[in-house]
Amino acid sequence: GESVGLHLPTLSVQEGDNSIINCAYSNSASDYFIWYKQESGKGPQFIIDIRSNMDKRQGQRVTVLLNKTVKHLSLQIAATQPGDSAVYFCAENKGGSYIPTFGRGTSLIVHP
Amino acid sequence: EAGVTQSPTHLIKTRGQQATLRCSPISGHTSVYWYQQALGLGLQFLLWYDEGEERNRGNFPPRFSGRQFPNYSSELNVNALELEDSALYLCASSFGTSGETQYFGPGTRLLVL
Repeated sequence: GESVGLHLPTLSVQEGDNSIINCAYSNSASDYFIWYKQESGKGPQFIIDIRSNMDKRQGQRVTVLLNKTVKHLSLQIAATQPGDSAVYFCAENKGGSYIPTFGRGTSLIVHP
Repeated sequence: EAGVTQSPTHLIKTRGQQATLRCSPISGHTSVYWYQQALGLGLQFLLWYDEGEERNRGNFPPRFSGRQFPNYSSELNVNALELEDSALYLCASSFGTSGETQYFGPGTRLLVL
């Protein structure tokens, strides 16, 4: 299930399930979006990106969906594995800007 | 191809001291960004360097400063350390154009006692 509280939102899934992590972005002028994965004690790792002229992009086991109407971004992970356990956060970049705005992230916990 | 590297991995200082953190970008990248990530919080933008110049800084006091060298590596200096400076400091690099993906290093964990 998913919970939101004082800590990061957490999504707990069983190994093999599909995971969906959501992100609401703030700036309707943002035209470039990135998903990062950050494992404990490590730096963020680029997963996948999407530009605003697309609404879906697929990578290896991951799909990013962009809904510009409601300013919503999601990351779908297929057949989630224990190694996918990490904090996932999105970043949005307004056209012409060099500094993205980062979300706080969602903690994904995968149970074997 | 080597990714972004940072040193040291861990740094322990006491209040009032100065800390120097180092970053080497991905080969070919000219932009270097510094972020602070306090425990449980999101990334807070600190500084952006491109072609040796400071291009932008976040909402941090002047005791946070840095520079970029001709080889595009960068240093972050934090003077007069305070307890709340304890955090993971992340460096990222990108090509020097807008809308480019930033790639992060592993970070330097700074602990101020």
